[in-house]
Amino acid sequence: ETGVTQTPRHLVMGMTNKKSLKCEQHLGHNAMYWYKQSAKKPLELMFVYSLEERVENNSVPSRFSPECPNSSHLFLHLHTLQPEDSALYLCASSQDRGLLYEQYFGPGTRLTVT
Amino acid sequence: AQKVTQAQTEISVVEKEDVTLDCVYETRDTTYYLFWYKQPPSGELVFLIRRNSFDEQNEISGRYSWNFQKSTSSFNFTITASQVVDSAVYFCALSGGAYSGAGSYQLTFGKGTKLSVIP
Repeated sequence: ETGVTQTPRHLVMGMTNKKSLKCEQHLGHNAMYWYKQSAKKPLELMFVYSLEERVENNSVPSRFSPECPNSSHLFLHLHTLQPEDSALYLCASSQDRGLLYEQYFGPGTRLTVT
Repeated sequence: AQKVTQAQTEISVVEKEDVTLDCVYETRDTTYYLFWYKQPPSGELVFLIRRNSFDEQNEISGRYSWNFQKSTSSFNFTITASQVVDSAVYFCALSGGAYSGAGSYQLTFGKGTKLSVIP
């Protein structure tokens, strides 16, 4: 596979469930990102990893827990979510952090919290 | 704080018409990058262009062209002879910098403009 892949593409979960979103990049990049895209709101950066180290956490609630076991994989662990967490979660990667590098996005996971 | 404004929420055009998507940005940084991304119905954002703050030359790529005007803090995107496949949500984004408080890698996105091209 090429590019950035995300699984699952769609997820419905109850507020008491625990689930994980997976992202994999096949581009040899060193930085990976989680974004949240809610209806009628700009994309919000949630987390940034560079060389498997978390370098940014934009005041995201603790019910979202990222994990980056290696530079190709990024997970977002979800537990006790709220209905307002329903959104499209996008993963992205870039060659490195910094102004110069464009980010390549995956297709997203459409999450619905019931 | 950085901000990107895409005032047009939705635009509909008939195929073969030209259409311009507006983007206005705010930043205190002197060095920054501007981006356009396309999000088709499949969901993934597709990178279209990156422009640095020191290069005000307009750029043309096929039917796409971009007009960067630093004096008005605008980075507008024009599609010439639009096609149905151009239907998507288009996002303008601005890279973070010294004053963004979030590092130079953070992209600040506008809310997007949904373009519908009618056959």
